[in-house]
Amino acid sequence: GAVVSQHPSRVICKSGTSVKIECRSLDFQATTMFWYRQFPKKSLMLMATSNEGSKATYEQGVEKDKFLINHASLTLSTLTVTSAHPEDSSFYICSARQGEITEAFFGQGTRLTVV
Amino acid sequence: GQNIDQPTEMTATEGAIVQINCTYRTSGFNGLFWYQQHAGEAPTFLSYNVLDGLEEKGRFSSFLSRSKGYSYLLLKELQMKDSASYLCAVVDSNYQLIWGAGTKLIIKP
Repeated sequence: GAVVSQHPSRVICKSGTSVKIECRSLDFQATTMFWYRQFPKKSLMLMATSNEGSKATYEQGVEKDKFLINHASLTLSTLTVTSAHPEDSSFYICSARQGEITEAFFGQGTRLTVV
Repeated sequence: GQNIDQPTEMTATEGAIVQINCTYRTSGFNGLFWYQQHAGEAPTFLSYNVLDGLEEKGRFSSFLSRSKGYSYLLLKELQMKDSASYLCAVVDSNYQLIWGAGTKLIIKP
């Protein structure tokens, strides 16, 4: 299957700082990328959907000024958690799809801990 | 609203067979995915069904009935490494993936 690389896999940051997470599709062009958040023992929660070259569509309740998403190319999307707080600590996962009815390929996930 | 139901947790014995059910009610239907997720890892793709019937892939099979809004994932010859969460996801009319909460499968020796 296709490969999606997410970096970093783990990050610890101080409260008030910003953290950038990268998501790259290595061997295909991702028309759409998705960012999810997952709490322990819970299912994936979609945060936002981004299409290359356009603004991301955020799900209800997700602060777009806090979770900045940039999808500058067909192979790269970034999620920046701005002014992070301990409650932002979570597992963040990106996924990419090549078309509308294709499986989503997931990155390895990023474990964010804000101290 | 849109809804996908799966059992929260199931237990099975190594070498046995287990069936994980998924029922859905969504605005439109453009296919159903099953994913496996080990703790602390990202989900990995298992199967995709868009037409009614059974799709077999090695030890794993997935079934779909669109008229009943129902799917199941069948795992045969269970191995300890199959202990994981199994996520059902439906593509709705807007081509969004709607996720179920996942079924935690525990395999006992």
